Amino acid sequence: DAGVIQSPRHEVTEMGQEVTLRCKPISGHNSLFWYRQTMMRGLELLIYFNNNVPIDDSGMPEDRFSAKMPNASFSTLKIQPSEPRDSAVYFCASSERSYGYTFGSGTRLTVV
Amino acid sequence: DQQVKQNSPSLSVQEGRISILNCDYTNSMFDYFLWYKKYPAEGPTFLISISSIKDKNEDGRFTVFLNKSAKHLSLHIVPSQPGDSAVYFCAASANGNKLVFGAGTILRVKS
Repeated sequence: DAGVIQSPRHEVTEMGQEVTLRCKPISGHNSLFWYRQTMMRGLELLIYFNNNVPIDDSGMPEDRFSAKMPNASFSTLKIQPSEPRDSAVYFCASSERSYGYTFGSGTRLTVV
Repeated sequence: DQQVKQNSPSLSVQEGRISILNCDYTNSMFDYFLWYKKYPAEGPTFLISISSIKDKNEDGRFTVFLNKSAKHLSLHIVPSQPGDSAVYFCAASANGNKLVFGAGTILRVKS
């Protein structure tokens, strides 16, 4: 199993541009999570899906952030328009049971 | 309001000695606690966990202690090795719901 696959690994974009982060969860996992890692706040949960349905998006910072999971094997996190304070490492994780999270390698986003 | 707090941003330990990483939580509904380890440019990986019905869980060099009355848990690594140098995240869950993570502690094991 290739694990949770995230793309791109690194993204540098200018303020105001749209950014799309992608995630392919482990096959058979029915839950998918998007986390953001910053120095000050550590790993913050942005949104999670169960069986492709968004369950809790209370961590999404603003309307500029949106996430979709059109099928069991793909999810996107979109930021439009992006701002410098969005710079962070974004992780996707999937699980098939409550606590067995498997994380991807993350996308390091830099907004200049 | 952070429900899971790791108050030490970093810890430096000599190889062979004990490393103790601490974590405090505020939500009394948390019933399952985990530690994740993260190397640079990689995602966090699961290390060890403990249920609220226990006060200790051991796995090789790693032991997690839970003090429910103090809402405190700790991870002990004995003996510490240079390969243990990483960021360690404490996480907690209530009733099988989403994991809430702390800010992380950077552990450096010096050889």
